Amino acid sequence: EVQLVESGGGLVKPGGSLRLSCAASGFTFTTYSMNWVRQAPGKGLEWVSSITSNNYIYNADSVKGRFTISRDNAKNSLYLQMDSLRAEDTAVYYCARESWNERGVDYWGQGTLVTVSS
Amino acid sequence: QSVLTQPPSVSAAPGQKVTISCSGRSSNIGNNYVSWFQQLPGTAPRLLIYENNKRPSGIPDRFSGSKSGTSAALGITGLQTGDEADYYCATWDNTLSGKVFGGGTKLTVL
Repeated sequence: EVQLVESGGGLVKPGGSLRLSCAASGFTFTTYSMNWVRQAPGKGLEWVSSITSNNYIYNADSVKGRFTISRDNAKNSLYLQMDSLRAEDTAVYYCARESWNERGVDYWGQGTLVTVSS
Repeated sequence: QSVLTQPPSVSAAPGQKVTISCSGRSSNIGNNYVSWFQQLPGTAPRLLIYENNKRPSGIPDRFSGSKSGTSAALGITGLQTGDEADYYCATWDNTLSGKVFGGGTKLTVL
């Protein structure tokens, strides 16, 4: 069974940093691309960042230069380093697996809430 | 403003059918596969439709997907109160080099 478990969310002040983690299990992590998708309170889904199995990275314009996606295949883990956080980054952040043929997300984690407020 | 356009809300009676549209352009829907996700209140999204019209195992055949040109649609037949949720379309955008989502459609089963 595919499982994605996010952690690391919390309350942080504007300008601060936070590192999210996603522990993956139930599949061969090294062979899949992974994504971060966020959802601001009461709003829709917004793609944040993707990393392929060979570490090619794509980022949304809204987070370029501030957020860094990475993965540790030895630990079956995905990360999102978030720097220079803004109030508009407040959201639930979901870890999501890309399908084997890279044609879309097929599994989601339960999400972790990040609140940016003074 | 989302790159993909969905109606904010749709409603229908139990047992009826509803269609949710998703409009894009050649750089996204026109040249890439579309997925649909269901998000029940207070839960994470789950995959309903992938590669335009395929259902993952466990998704009932009451749910169907289609795509034509730069638009896609999700159909739900035999509506149940448990289908009340937000529905999102998604695809890749070749110009933006990123994933794009629709703004979401809230389904109400009256």
